[in-house]
Amino acid sequence: GESVGLHLPTLSVQEGDNSIINCAYSNSASDYFIWYKQESGKGPQFIIDIRSNMDKRQGQRVTVLLNKTVKHLSLQIAATQPGDSAVYFCAENNQAGTALIFGKGTTLSVSS
Amino acid sequence: DTAVSQTPKYLVTQMGNDKSIKCEQNLGHDTMYWYKQDSKKFLKIMFSYNNKELIINETVPNRFSPKSPDKAHLNLHINSLELGDSAVYFCASSQGGGSYEQYFGPGTRLTVT
Repeated sequence: GESVGLHLPTLSVQEGDNSIINCAYSNSASDYFIWYKQESGKGPQFIIDIRSNMDKRQGQRVTVLLNKTVKHLSLQIAATQPGDSAVYFCAENNQAGTALIFGKGTTLSVSS
Repeated sequence: DTAVSQTPKYLVTQMGNDKSIKCEQNLGHDTMYWYKQDSKKFLKIMFSYNNKELIINETVPNRFSPKSPDKAHLNLHINSLELGDSAVYFCASSQGGGSYEQYFGPGTRLTVT
């Protein structure tokens, strides 16, 4: 079946460090991937997305890497700040392209 | 300007009651969704509507019934509430299906006692 998972449920870093959050996906036919950030008490917020015709995409302080060979997605956050503390979800589109399938989430804790 | 709004934000009710959650988006999107987030933060899609037409209806008890009066609104009605329905429910919208960014509402925390 379709599933998206994350390697680690929690990640703790120091302020100023770079953070890497990993995600494995199972559907080799998925062509759209997306990362969301969810702060406590709020809805998921878009961070960055990538389509399968790319292997890297950069935003402001964030980079998403896509390795289709091993079906792996990662989110890199540069110079992590306390405000980055949240739960991070990766998601892929389903086989029909009608919905997103979410992974289990990684809780990022940033200490100053 | 709130892109996707939900009401109420909190809902506490007793088992057996019927309740509704409302969702509105002002983004002009054609597709709207309902997700359920459990206590372990797992987000699972429940329903998807495209231009008022039901597209996705995941394995959800038929006590849950979505209704889309127009493409800017997608409401969720729940009959005969059970303890296991306690969760946070999120509405979302996107310009297309699963290959586009979805915008989420703030969530409705439902507690069934």
